Amino acid sequence: GAGVSQTPSNKVTEKGKYVELRCDPISGHTALYWYRQSLGQGPEFLIYFQGTGAADDSGLPNDRFFAVRPEGSVSTLKIQRTERGDSAVYLCASSRQPNTEAFFGQGTRLTVV
Amino acid sequence: GESVGLHLPTLSVQEGDNSIINCAYSNSASDYFIWYKQESGKGPQFIIDIRSNMDKRQGQRVTVLLNKTVKHLSLQIAATQPGDSAVYFCAENTGGGADGLTFGKGTHLIIQP
Repeated sequence: GAGVSQTPSNKVTEKGKYVELRCDPISGHTALYWYRQSLGQGPEFLIYFQGTGAADDSGLPNDRFFAVRPEGSVSTLKIQRTERGDSAVYLCASSRQPNTEAFFGQGTRLTVV
Repeated sequence: GESVGLHLPTLSVQEGDNSIINCAYSNSASDYFIWYKQESGKGPQFIIDIRSNMDKRQGQRVTVLLNKTVKHLSLQIAATQPGDSAVYFCAENTGGGADGLTFGKGTHLIIQP
């Protein structure tokens, strides 16, 4: 597709379960970002990939959160032992290069019950 | 202005009037700024960007002004239309290529018929 694609669009999981959220960036974009957005707030930075490597993971809230981008394209955000406070919209963005126009996907709405 | 919790600042304008949305950014080292528009249930949509070596940039119906002295950014929308109704976020990047964007809290723009 032409834009950033995120799947699933909605995910409901039970507290304590493991979830994976997927992001397909725009083809050719080397930079990929994950953000988390709570209701009424702006997106909060989680992690940034340049190619396959995580160049900055300073936004990950704790070690239950992990993300990979093994081939430098698709990325997966993984959350272990989910908690109710993890409920939010998880947004992915990509850009052709760092510090340039970043395009966002529609997000995955995660609800932990 | 600043928002508290779920209460975003709201700007209400008449259709056809000009809108000005303001943002105070946090980091004097930031060198790249972006305005995003976010409609309900969607990811942020890029509107316009500006680098720190500029103080004004114009797009189609939109103008961004940057005042580095007081760390202030504004978005002007000319002849606002019903489709401009959304939450608008300013975002800054401190540069170096490794960091994600830091978003402001957002302003809800409402267009009155």
